[in-house]
Amino acid sequence: GENVEQHPSTLSVQEGDSAVIKCTYSDSASNYFPWYKQELGKGPQLIIDIRSNVGEKKDQRIAVTLNKTAKHFSLHITETQPEDSAVYFCAASNPGAQKLVFGQGTRLTINP
Amino acid sequence: DAGVIQSPRHEVTEMGQEVTLRCKPISGHDYLFWYRQTMMRGLELLIYFNNNVPIDDSGMPEDRFSAKMPNASFSTLKIQPSEPRDSAVYFCASSLYRGWETQYFGPGTRLLVL
Repeated sequence: GENVEQHPSTLSVQEGDSAVIKCTYSDSASNYFPWYKQELGKGPQLIIDIRSNVGEKKDQRIAVTLNKTAKHFSLHITETQPEDSAVYFCAASNPGAQKLVFGQGTRLTINP
Repeated sequence: DAGVIQSPRHEVTEMGQEVTLRCKPISGHDYLFWYRQTMMRGLELLIYFNNNVPIDDSGMPEDRFSAKMPNASFSTLKIQPSEPRDSAVYFCASSLYRGWETQYFGPGTRLLVL
């Protein structure tokens, strides 16, 4: 089955700098890659996703890139703000499985 | 919409007791997922339903765990008997048939088994 590895497990950046979180997946049939943000005491919330027919997607300060050949995808956050501090999860799915497989999560801390 | 609703938000119980976690999905959603989150294992899918029918329960740890969805607006996850290693945060999520991958999570139930 699918296996998703996420790095780093913790990331600390200065406010205003950029943050990058990387994930690799094992199943070449996977075609959907969402990113979730989990704030303290809350459930994960979808912040951006990408499908395998595109290489990059942007939404204001966040972007996701996908390299199908290498089977990895990344989350980029620019001009980081204190409210970006949270745990971020990547995930992967393929049409046949009908379930998301999540990475282990990255705890992002934005230092003022 | 109120979003996915879970109850209780916190549960403390003693080993051997029965625990029932409840979930109300977003109205109109066709899929319902139960996840467990721990530091060691991250976010794992336990079971999911499509139109109230269990589709995949391969993530359910053992027979002590059971889940039901008697109607489109209610689901339960039951642990009987509970053990300390069941301590975790349990999330319920729901999604539409078209676009099932876009899952909306509830706030979770934090379970502590003493």
